[in-house]
This record gives sequence, C-alpha cells and structure tokens, in this order.
Amino acid sequence: GDSVTQMEGPVTLSEEAFLTINCTYTATGYPSLFWYVQYPGEGLQLLLKATKADDKGSNKGFEATYRKETTSFHLEKGSVQVSDSAVYFCALRRANFGNEKLTFGTGTRLTIIP
Amino acid sequence: DGGITQSPKYLFRKEGQNVTLSCEQNLNHDAMYWYRQDPGQGLRLIYYSQIVNDFQKGDIAEGYSVSREKKESFPLTVTSAQKNPTAFYLCASSIVGTNTEAFFGQGTRLTVV
Repeated sequence: GDSVTQMEGPVTLSEEAFLTINCTYTATGYPSLFWYVQYPGEGLQLLLKATKADDKGSNKGFEATYRKETTSFHLEKGSVQVSDSAVYFCALRRANFGNEKLTFGTGTRLTIIP
Repeated sequence: DGGITQSPKYLFRKEGQNVTLSCEQNLNHDAMYWYRQDPGQGLRLIYYSQIVNDFQKGDIAEGYSVSREKKESFPLTVTSAQKNPTAFYLCASSIVGTNTEAFFGQGTRLTVV
C-alpha cells in the first residue's frame, strides 16, 4: 500500500538557518504530493503541493520538488523565522475512486529559536 | 467564505458517555474524513465517506460511528466502547476522482474524565 516516510523530529534551528525536512514515499501510479503545516491547537493547513514529476511547489518561502526518480518531496526554506515553528506533515493522494484517502507521514515538529 | 467547520472546539465528557462531534462543509466536496491525533503523533484515519449514505472504516474505527445523511455533514460519534477517547479530532473534505488536496477543519479537542 501507499506510505510516506518523514524525517523524525523534533528539529530545532536558530532563526535564519536553512531548513530541510526529508520526505520519501511509496505509491503506485502518479500521486500528488503535499506539505501541510499545523500550528498549536489548530487544524492542518496546506502549505504547498505538486501534482506531477519535477513540479516545484512553493509558498511563504518554502519549496519542495516532486522527484519521481528518488520518490522524494523534501521541504526546504532558506531562512527560517520563529513564526515557522509548527508541525509539518508530508502527504500523498492518488486519484483512485473508492480509495482516495490521503496518506500522511508521522509529522516533524520544528522549533525555531530566536 | 467556503470551508469546514468543526464544533465544538473543546468538549468534555464523563467516562461511559457517548459524544457526537460535528463537521460541516460548504465546499461542495463529496469526500469527507475523520482523523484522530494524539499528542506528539501523526494522524490516524477513523472513517471516510465518498458519497452520501456510504462510508468506510479507516485504520482505527473501533469504538466510533459515523453517518452521512447529507453531503455537507459528517458527524462522528465517540461511543463508550472507545477505550481511550481523549484526543484531538480532525475532519477533512476533498473532491472525489482527483488527486487534489484535502481541506481541514480547526479540530475538536475531546477530554474524557
């Protein structure tokens, strides 16, 4: 079945540091890939997405590139801020009527220190 | 504005009581989902529905029940059979037949005392 493997956390960085959170996946066909962010006590918000190989999703300074050859979708940001502190989830979804649920990674807690 | 509304945000119940969590969406999505999140852990799928009057068990359906009588609504009942119901519950919805993203509500934190 489909699966998503995410970098174990927690991750602690200083403000303005470079961020990478690794995500690899296993799925048949051509899934879409997503990064969601969850702030304390809230639901998940879509951060960025990519729907086909070599697509780059970007939002709020975050980027991730859909690499089919390495089955990866690593999240990066060049200079993190304290406000980026949150839990980040990598996810995938395949269009397959009757079985289209999202598959999530376990989440990575990110803490940015001023 | 379109979106998903979960209510209430916080819910307290005594052990042994059933409790129903509300989830309403006005995005015209056919698919709806319920996830459970425990502290420091990821999301686990409880139930999902891709069409009115039909739903499927997820990975941890025991002790939970759902209904889907209307497209807009997908309430979750946490029954007394659920051994450890205290958790954060998230509802989501999406379009069926595509691989587009799901949209999430703000969650309900259930505490059983």
